[in-house]
Amino acid sequence: AQSVSQHNHHVILSEAASLELGCNYSYGGTVNLFWYVQYPGQHLQLLLKYFSGDPLVKGIKGFEAEFIKSKFSFNLRKPSVQWSDTAEYFCAVNEGGSYIPTFGRGTSLIVHP
Amino acid sequence: DAEITQSPRHKITETGRQVTLACHQTWNHNNMFWYRQDLGHGLRLIHYSYGVQDTNKGEVSDGYSVSRSNTEDLPLTLESAASSQTSVYFCASSESRDRTQYFGPGTRLLVL
Repeated sequence: AQSVSQHNHHVILSEAASLELGCNYSYGGTVNLFWYVQYPGQHLQLLLKYFSGDPLVKGIKGFEAEFIKSKFSFNLRKPSVQWSDTAEYFCAVNEGGSYIPTFGRGTSLIVHP
Repeated sequence: DAEITQSPRHKITETGRQVTLACHQTWNHNNMFWYRQDLGHGLRLIHYSYGVQDTNKGEVSDGYSVSRSNTEDLPLTLESAASSQTSVYFCASSESRDRTQYFGPGTRLLVL
């Protein structure tokens, strides 16, 4: 079965630091890749997604992610984080033509002002 | 604006009681999903539906049921609530062309 690994469970950064959150998946075929964000007390919302084309995807609020097929990875990056980026971040993968995503366990990011 | 709503937002119930959590979406999406979110487990799929009269079990479906009588609603029923079902429950929907999930605000359930 498909699995999605987010290696960093808790990340603490100071404002202006750079961020990279890892996401690896196990499926070898075509995938759709997503990063969702959950701000404190709120529901999950889409940050960015990759379906095909340019493997470097840009999302909202200055986030980007790079799909590296050979590494089965879809890491999330932001060059300079803000206090308002404090949230939980979830990577999700749909394998093949499936409508059902497999979610990673999430990474809790705390940004100190 | 289209949205997905859940009710109640908070619920306290006792072990053994039947509980129904409502989910209503105005996206006109065919696909609807129920997840539970627990610390250390992320999001786990309970049930999902690809359309009216279609329901399917997810990875943690024991003790839960759903029904889909129209496009907009997918209520989740806990047949006999157990303390292990204390969790935050999220409903989501997606359309078939774009697999992006749109989430509701969640229901926080406490089973005593």
